[in-house]
Amino acid sequence: DVKVTQSSRYLVKRTGEKVFLECVQDMDHENMFWYRQDPGLGLRLIYFSYDVKMKEKGDIPEGYSVSREKKERFSLILESASTNQTSMYLCASGQGSQPQHFGDGTRLSIL
Amino acid sequence: TQLLEQSPQFLSIQEGENLTVYCNSSSVFSSLQWYRQEPGEGPVLLVTVVTGGEVKKLKRLTFQFGDARKDSSLHITAAQPGDTGLYLCAGARDSSNTGKLIFGQGTTLQVKP
Repeated sequence: DVKVTQSSRYLVKRTGEKVFLECVQDMDHENMFWYRQDPGLGLRLIYFSYDVKMKEKGDIPEGYSVSREKKERFSLILESASTNQTSMYLCASGQGSQPQHFGDGTRLSIL
Repeated sequence: TQLLEQSPQFLSIQEGENLTVYCNSSSVFSSLQWYRQEPGEGPVLLVTVVTGGEVKKLKRLTFQFGDARKDSSLHITAAQPGDTGLYLCAGARDSSNTGKLIFGQGTTLQVKP
């Protein structure tokens, strides 16, 4: 069974802090994704990676960056956290056009 | 820009009732997926539909892909409290191998005993 593990279920940070959200998958998938989920807006793609060190902006990349140094790990970075980045963050992995497998999410609060 | 409009956004029904959730777009999708998400967990895939007009059944859930591959529906027969959750439709953005999806806004379903 595919497992996508996000490092934290809940996180509270302060405005201006640099925040790291980590995601690890155990199925050797090429593709990894970071989404944010807000009520009434569904899931919106922040960044996408299709290979180690390869990344592509999604629909809402502003204020975020990503890192993929190893195939199994995809990190989302909030360079200088702001209150409008309070949200649920979901990581997913997939192979080719196959369905994505999601982690359980990180609920991030920026105070 | 591809958009997926999902409706209704909220649905509260009694156990035993039937319901339908709709997912509509002006764009054609190569495939469409339906996910279910429970509180505190990530979305879990229910089904993928690929062919226009395709119908797939998963116990009491029936999924249909429109003939033109622009819309889809999820019908639940005799809903149970265990069906409660957030239902998300997602269309494949392109026919390439990226697996990128565009999601609808989601339908929050509450089934009362």
